[in-house]
Formats: sequence, C-alpha cells, structure tokens
Amino acid sequence: QSALTQPASVSGSPGQSITVSCTGTTSDVGSYNLVSWYQQHPGKAPKLMIYEDSKRPSGVSNRFSGSKSGNTASLTISGLQAEDEADYYCCSYAGSSILMFGGGTKLTVL
Amino acid sequence: QLQLQESGPGLVKPSETLSLTCTVSGGSIRSSTYYWGWIRQPPGKGLEWIGSIYYSGSTYYNSSLKSRVTISVDTSKNQFSLKLTSVTAADTAVYYCAMIDTITWSIFDYWGQGTLVTVSS
Repeated sequence: QSALTQPASVSGSPGQSITVSCTGTTSDVGSYNLVSWYQQHPGKAPKLMIYEDSKRPSGVSNRFSGSKSGNTASLTISGLQAEDEADYYCCSYAGSSILMFGGGTKLTVL
Repeated sequence: QLQLQESGPGLVKPSETLSLTCTVSGGSIRSSTYYWGWIRQPPGKGLEWIGSIYYSGSTYYNSSLKSRVTISVDTSKNQFSLKLTSVTAADTAVYYCAMIDTITWSIFDYWGQGTLVTVSS
C-alpha cells in the first residue's frame, strides 16, 4: 500500500481558485467513487470537506468542490480566503476495508 | 453528541510496546455502519491510516504496520485500543482515533483530539 500522490504545496491569492490533485491507482482511486478530502489546520484534527469524490458535508462552503478522472481525484477551492490556508489530504477506499491517505498538500494563501 | 478521547502514555521507550485506548461517549460502539480506526501523524508529516476494527472484533490493518499492530475492542466499556510493538523513533506521532463511516468510507467530524506519543529513551 503506497500513499496517494499529492503535490507538496500549492498557493493562490485571495479570490483566486486553486486545484489540488491526488493520484492513485486502479486499485484505489480508480476503482471506487470513495475519495474524501480533509482540511487540517495546525494543531487540529482533520475536517472532512468532500466525500464520495464530490459530495460536500453539511456546513462546508460551496467554494469547495471535488472531482475525479480515472486514477486522479481533484479538490478545487474557489474564491480563496485567508482561512483556507491549511494542509489538505485526500483519502481513498482501497478495497477490503482499507483506507489510504495522500501525502498532503500545504495551501498558502498569498 | 458522540465524542472520542484517546488516552495512554505520552512517552514510550524504543523496542517497547505503545498502548493507547479510545473511549467513545455519547453513542454506542456497537454500530453496524461504522468502523473504529486509528490514524497517526508524525510531526510535520502526513496522515497514515493504521487500522480499523468493527464492534464484532473484525480487524483491518495497514500492510506496512500489520506485523506490529493489534487493535482490539471492549464493547462493555465502549472502548477500542491500539497496541504497536517494537517501537522506534519513527513511530513518534500524534495518534488519532476516529469513527469511520463504512458507507462513504469517510470520517465525519468524529475524531479524537489526538495524543502525542514520543518514542525516546
């Protein structure tokens, strides 16, 4: 089980949009519509932002959206705000009750 | 409101066994649609799923840790536990317990606060 691949960092200015990619394989991301995305601020537990590839939990801003193509899932944040600066992790179901996280992406709001 | 709380030693010596317990309050651990999981995060690094357990006792582990990990459940105490043997400095991390929804395979706000375990002599 290898971690899903995410860029180490992305950045954007307030009001802009950014996209974070998450690349897996045909055994995980590509096989199931079960990619989730978590936001983590320093010293805090992760917070679910997207589940089942593209669904938003109640209370999560519609500025956050998820998509997937083949073995790569993506998280897009539109209308960047200072409070969006955080680490973002993707996570995929990999069959047999196994979960796999990505390495994480640090978002900097310039 | 369901809450999870990790407990256990914050310092473990190299080669010894790390033991943590997660106490679930405000709800029953005997749920048919949730697994109970452990996730860790070394300082400055990413999240790693360690493993999960169903209330019946069925367990699922990260293959990279499988030889050293045991997760168990005590439904009478509404708790589940993690044991990690032969620890090294690489096992120093914040350890989180969490409730995993097995329909969406996501964790909806049900995380423990996390507990830092340092491996050092």
